[in-house]
Amino acid sequence: DQQVKQNSPSLSVQEGRISILNCDYTNSMFDYFLWYKKYPAEGPTFLISISSIKDKNEDGRFTVFLNKSAKHLSLHIVPSQPGDSAVYFCAASAGQSSSNTGKLIFGQGTTLQVKP
Amino acid sequence: GAGVSQSPRYKVAKRGQDVALRCDPISGHVSLFWYQQALGQGPEFLTYFQNEAQLDKSGLPSDRFFAERPEGSVSTLKIQRTQQEDSAVYLCASSLSSLANTLYNEQFFGPGTRLTVL
Repeated sequence: DQQVKQNSPSLSVQEGRISILNCDYTNSMFDYFLWYKKYPAEGPTFLISISSIKDKNEDGRFTVFLNKSAKHLSLHIVPSQPGDSAVYFCAASAGQSSSNTGKLIFGQGTTLQVKP
Repeated sequence: GAGVSQSPRYKVAKRGQDVALRCDPISGHVSLFWYQQALGQGPEFLTYFQNEAQLDKSGLPSDRFFAERPEGSVSTLKIQRTQQEDSAVYLCASSLSSLANTLYNEQFFGPGTRLTVL
């Protein structure tokens, strides 16, 4: 079963506009969420994270929103730039679980294309 | 080195061969993770080390998969008698934290090893 889902395989936006990437999860034990960005032939790189005690975290052009009741999070990129074109992965961790090792559960990824 | 390195970057194996994939984590990082990423999918957890101790191997798909980190630094993922379904990118990640501390420290990923089994 897919505990973290990114239902949009791809997204295309114009440079300067907002990009919104969505992620849904099913496991109520998840209490920490992360977004990773991946370029071809490279490993994922950390972008931004949010703890379940918050509903918003902002870092420059990147903002992550968490809706716990809906088990939904989203990543907003404003303004979008061509260099943002990459695959974006949503990931979750059950940090407070006594058996947790910090392992991340990833979604399938969304390919973002920002057109000049 | 400045980041996590993995070798080889690409490996082609004939079905039935054994392979060994190496991970050099960031110096001083206590935690080390292995993930498997199939084409078009997100990374999936394989196993976790805290220093030299393998604390979680729940994600290893079969007993053909074996991982070690004998000195708490470099780690090797070994796959015996490779099968076509083992074809994937194998990612290694390390983080500064240990299980006793915050579990929220960032995981730094290596570039991965792309394994192709013919």
